[in-house]
Amino acid sequence: SQTIHQWPATLVQPVGSPLSLECTVEGTSNPNLYWYRQAAGRGLQLLFYSVGIGQISSEVPQNLSASRPQDRQFILSSKKLLLSDSGFYLCAWSDPSKSSYNSPLHFGNGTRLTVT
Amino acid sequence: AQRVTQPEKLLSVFKGAPVELKCNYSYSGSPELFWYVQYSRQRLQLLLRHISRESIKGFTADLNKGETSFHLKKPFAQEEDSAMYYCALRTDKLIFGTGTRLQVFP
Repeated sequence: SQTIHQWPATLVQPVGSPLSLECTVEGTSNPNLYWYRQAAGRGLQLLFYSVGIGQISSEVPQNLSASRPQDRQFILSSKKLLLSDSGFYLCAWSDPSKSSYNSPLHFGNGTRLTVT
Repeated sequence: AQRVTQPEKLLSVFKGAPVELKCNYSYSGSPELFWYVQYSRQRLQLLLRHISRESIKGFTADLNKGETSFHLKKPFAQEEDSAMYYCALRTDKLIFGTGTRLQVFP
């Protein structure tokens, strides 16, 4: 069966420090991968999505970047964190071989990032 | 613009009362709509999708294109329904609303 792992679960970082959040998927090949951010009162905001290795689409211009060095690995990064980067970050995957209706998003447990 | 609106941040009801979580969307194409749910200490997960016209855990949602709505309903709420509910619209990506927290009191 497919599983998604996301770490760390919580992170407290000072302003100006770098960030690296990692997400890996097991049990499937060539998944679509997503990074969402959940900020208070703003719902789930899509940050990045990827349909293949090295293919990243950015949805919102910001201080963050994403990379997909391997088929089932998705990394969210920042060179210098801002206070506004605080939030709850969710990684998700879907199966591109199925129609959109038969391929829901499967979410990780999330990472709560606090920038101080 | 593509948008999903959930006007209620919090909805509180007593056990056995009917529940309706509101969702409105803005999309010029043919919409694909979903409800996702996150129970306490669990992952966000798919609850139901409109095309299936399914009832999951007693919940149903009907797409009303005239009103551009996809409200989630349950005739008799249970305490275990307490959770965060997100309405989502699929275009070339999945767009979520801000979510509604449902609290069901005993």
